[in-house]
Amino acid sequence: EIVLTQSPATLSLSPGERATLSCRASQSISSYLAWYQQKPGQAPRLLIYDASDRFTGIPARFSGSGSGTDFTLTISSLEPEDFAVYYCHERSNWPYTFGQGTKLEIK
Amino acid sequence: QMQLQESGPGLVKPSETLSLTCTVSGGSISGYYWSWIRQPPGKGLEWIGYIYYSGSANYNPSLKSRVTISVDTSKNHFYLKLSSVTAADTAFYYCARDAPPGLWGQGTLVTVSS
Repeated sequence: EIVLTQSPATLSLSPGERATLSCRASQSISSYLAWYQQKPGQAPRLLIYDASDRFTGIPARFSGSGSGTDFTLTISSLEPEDFAVYYCHERSNWPYTFGQGTKLEIK
Repeated sequence: QMQLQESGPGLVKPSETLSLTCTVSGGSISGYYWSWIRQPPGKGLEWIGYIYYSGSANYNPSLKSRVTISVDTSKNHFYLKLSSVTAADTAFYYCARDAPPGLWGQGTLVTVSS
């Protein structure tokens, strides 16, 4: 089973700032990495798939990069609605796994 | 626009079987992979398993001995059964489409308690 380690656990920033979230895989997963946003009481929302492709309807301020074992989600300029928990997810090997999450909170 | 909706008992007794249904509306269940994913309150996400509309399924090895996922294309439903539940199975259960899932149900909380 592939282990995904996200850092930091919590990120405190202000609206308008740039957010950089990391996800490291325990072995190479090529580009089979996705990023999700989850708000309280809601299902996860797919933001990025295959490491860098934005899902339908996702604003351009969200971008993903990386391949192999190291991946990054960047939010270029934080909007108030972006404060949430973010999960990375791999579909390279079964069972598919998720990272433990990064909480993006308002500073 | 396709939508997913989970349904089933919100309370299950220890050692019994948890049974959930995912209703697919606004489109056909055919041609897609369908998954169950769970999340204990305040914790992370765990993929339980998935099924192709044709009926072939794959289960998380950590749950494999207790899980059955099935599909009924005539009803546009797919199902989750988890046997011999314990308190550790208390979670929000989500149904979802594709991998990575871009379409999710709203989730349903299942509590295991006597």
